[in-house]
Amino acid sequence: GAGVSQSPSNKVTEKGKDVELRCDPISGHTALYWYRQSLGQGLEFLIYFQGNSAPDKSGLPSDRFSAERTGGSVSTLTIQRTQQEDSAVYLCASTPMVGTGELFFGEGSRLTVL
Amino acid sequence: GESVGLHLPTLSVQEGDNSIINCAYSNSASDYFIWYKQESGKGPQFIIDIRSNMDKRQGQRVTVLLNKTVKHLSLQIAATQPGDSAVYFCAENPNNNNDMRFGAGTRLTVKP
Repeated sequence: GAGVSQSPSNKVTEKGKDVELRCDPISGHTALYWYRQSLGQGLEFLIYFQGNSAPDKSGLPSDRFSAERTGGSVSTLTIQRTQQEDSAVYLCASTPMVGTGELFFGEGSRLTVL
Repeated sequence: GESVGLHLPTLSVQEGDNSIINCAYSNSASDYFIWYKQESGKGPQFIIDIRSNMDKRQGQRVTVLLNKTVKHLSLQIAATQPGDSAVYFCAENPNNNNDMRFGAGTRLTVKP
């Protein structure tokens, strides 16, 4: 597709379960970001991938959170043993260049942990 | 205006009026700033950017002003339309690194 695609768009899970969120960036974009947006809040940086470089994981809130990017394209954000405070919209963005600021966002995956 | 906190600041304007959305950024080393617009249920969309060697930049119906002395950024929207109703975020990019820092956002409501 033409834009960043995220799936699922909505996910309801029980506390303690693991979830996987997927992001398909725009073709050719080398940089990929994950952000978390809680209700009424700004965007919290989670992790950043750039080409084949080691990802910047400095924003991951705990070791229950991990992400990978296979083949420099699709990325998966995994949350293990989900907690209620993990409930949020998880946004993925891609950009062709580092530092341009123009991130192209997907529509997000809304996670609700019961 | 923009602030970091639990409640989203709001701005309500009449259709056709000009809107000014403010943002106070935190890092004096930041050299690149961006405004994003987020409509309900969608991801943020890039509006306009400005580098620290400028104090003003204009786009279509939008103007961004940067005051580095007081670390303040503003977005001006001319002749505000109902379609401008959204949450607006400012973001800073300190030292061109990977971590784009977003503010909490301001909810703009345009009354017909």
